[in-house]
Amino acid sequence: AQKVTQAQTEISVVEKEDVTLDCVYETRDTTYYLFWYKQPPSGELVFLIRRNSFDEQNEISGRYSWNFQKSTSSFNFTITASQVVDSAVYFCALLGAGSYQLTFGKGTKLSVIP
Amino acid sequence: EAEVAQSPRYKITEKSQAVAFWCDPISGHATLYWYRQILGQGPELLVQFQDESVVDDSQLPKDRFSAERLKGVDSTLKIQPAELGDSAMYLCASSAPRTGVTDTQYFGPGTRLTVL
Repeated sequence: AQKVTQAQTEISVVEKEDVTLDCVYETRDTTYYLFWYKQPPSGELVFLIRRNSFDEQNEISGRYSWNFQKSTSSFNFTITASQVVDSAVYFCALLGAGSYQLTFGKGTKLSVIP
Repeated sequence: EAEVAQSPRYKITEKSQAVAFWCDPISGHATLYWYRQILGQGPELLVQFQDESVVDDSQLPKDRFSAERLKGVDSTLKIQPAELGDSAMYLCASSAPRTGVTDTQYFGPGTRLTVL
């Protein structure tokens, strides 16, 4: 069975602060894929990043960075210098190799206060 | 940029009525998914199509829900009769899987259903 845990239900930060969203996953697959999606109030799930289990390099994209640690089964997401437009619910998701069913966490609601 | 289209964006209905949602995937995407997202939860898969064929509908409540993708392009999800517990966001996603590769799923804006 696969499971994704996002322990932080809600986080509030003041604009320009850095914030890290935690994601811990469980899977028996040796090959798997991890994702982060952003869901703004409009409802659409916006794809942010995909990570393959065999590639543990961290990634940076502008103000966003992701820290994948296979040893602790974690795939954390950091936003640097947060902005009001970052306010949304962020979902971490897991996909096993050969499977098409994404397993989502319950999401973390991020509020960035001006 | 190509997007997944869904309509309507919002739907309010009374229980026992029938409702239908439409999805048009990204052009060329062979795989289409319908998810249900209850408030405060992550999306959960209802049904998955590969072209016009159902690959997985194990979590679709088949007594009241039906889904079709007749020509392997756009898709319709129907609920009949709607129940109060069906109030949720219904999300459509598509991906373009290639043999041996698991592709990223791209989501549409969703249909927010309220059953009164």
